[in-house]
Order: sequence, then structure tokens, then C-alpha cells
Amino acid sequence: GESVGLHLPTLSVQEGDNSIINCAYSNSASDYFIWYKQESGKGPQFIIDIRSNMDKRQGQRVTVLLNKTVKHLSLQIAATQPGDSAVYFCAEISDTGRRALTFGSGTRLQVQP
Amino acid sequence: NAGVTQTPKFRILKIGQSMTLQCTQDMNHNYMYWYRQDPGMGLKLIYYSVGAGITDKGEVPNGYNVSRSTTEDFPLRLELAAPSQTSVYFCASGRTEAFFGQGTRLTVV
Repeated sequence: GESVGLHLPTLSVQEGDNSIINCAYSNSASDYFIWYKQESGKGPQFIIDIRSNMDKRQGQRVTVLLNKTVKHLSLQIAATQPGDSAVYFCAEISDTGRRALTFGSGTRLQVQP
Repeated sequence: NAGVTQTPKFRILKIGQSMTLQCTQDMNHNYMYWYRQDPGMGLKLIYYSVGAGITDKGEVPNGYNVSRSTTEDFPLRLELAAPSQTSVYFCASGRTEAFFGQGTRLTVV
């Protein structure tokens, strides 16, 4: 769900450490779950997606985990770099009901050098 | 590749004025979206379209209208602008891997 009126939570990590960003989603009928990265002053940028029939997917330095039992999605970033500093949003889309890409609340990642 | 192009980048409107935010994509995507993003907040879906001639309301459609006469274009119309519509507006196209425009920063005074 969305935290209306609340500002984004912040995750602060040291450069080189692994980062884990979490997201709770609400629609159990969603077909895809997606992570986006938004840098300051720019539009969101696609990172990685996962189908609802999978529980893990890996990309370059990123891994997405899906736990449908508790409706939880996470993004793991390995060896976090200063360029990873941004706001990260999870999103979901379904082929039924509202067939639109719907964003959850975001998390600001700050990478300390 | 142009991707998703939004115009204008910035605009100041007076209360009660109207304007159209333009959005064009050259990727032949059926899905297109309009979002608004208030400072420090997430993206709220205003309207979306799953193909030419088809539009539907999102979470916050009041005060806005859209049309989708072609695959490429998805303009957003603001009628009778209000201060509550001060925000950054993003257009996007694509289904799961959506591509976003650079945004339109709108201030209503």
C-alpha cells in the first residue's frame, strides 16, 4: 500500500556493502513485480522485473526476491556503489482489474563513501 | 532513440487556467501512463491507456482528462488548474519495462 503524506524512508549503507530494499505489495493477483530507480530530477528507470510464478531473479549486481505468501518483494544490490544512490520504487501490474503499472512507496538509498 | 518525449519541461499556471501536457513515444508501445509525483513522495497514477482509443482512470483522475487517438500520443489535459495540481508529471510507455519521460514541473499559483 501507499503511505500517503509520509516522506520516503532512507537506507544508508557503506560503499562496497550489500543493500537490501524491501517492499510490501497489496494485489495478490499481480502478474509482474518490478523495481525502478529514480535519480534526482529524472524519471524512474527500469532495473529488473519478476513474474509472479518465480521467487528469485538475478541481474547484473541485483537480485529480486518474491515471497507471495507474505506479499513481500525485495531488491538486493551487491557491492553498492555511490552511483546506486537514488530512490527505489517497487511496482506491480496485473492482467485483470486495473491493468496499469502501479507504484508502491519508495526507499531512498544513500551510499556513504 | 527519442523514447518518451514530454513537453513542456516547466510551466507556471494561474488558478483556473487550462493546459495540455504533451507526451509522445516512438517505441510502438500499447501501454501508456500518466503519473504525478509530489516532492519527496511516490508516483500516483492519474490515467492510463492499453491501446489507441482506450483510456481508463487511475488513482487520482479528478481534474484531468486524457485522449489516445494514436499509438504514439497520450496528452493530459488539466482543466481549471488548482494549487493542489502543483506537482511533477511523468508520462511513461511500456507494460512492465516502462520508459519514462523527463517530466513536466507544473506550478499553479
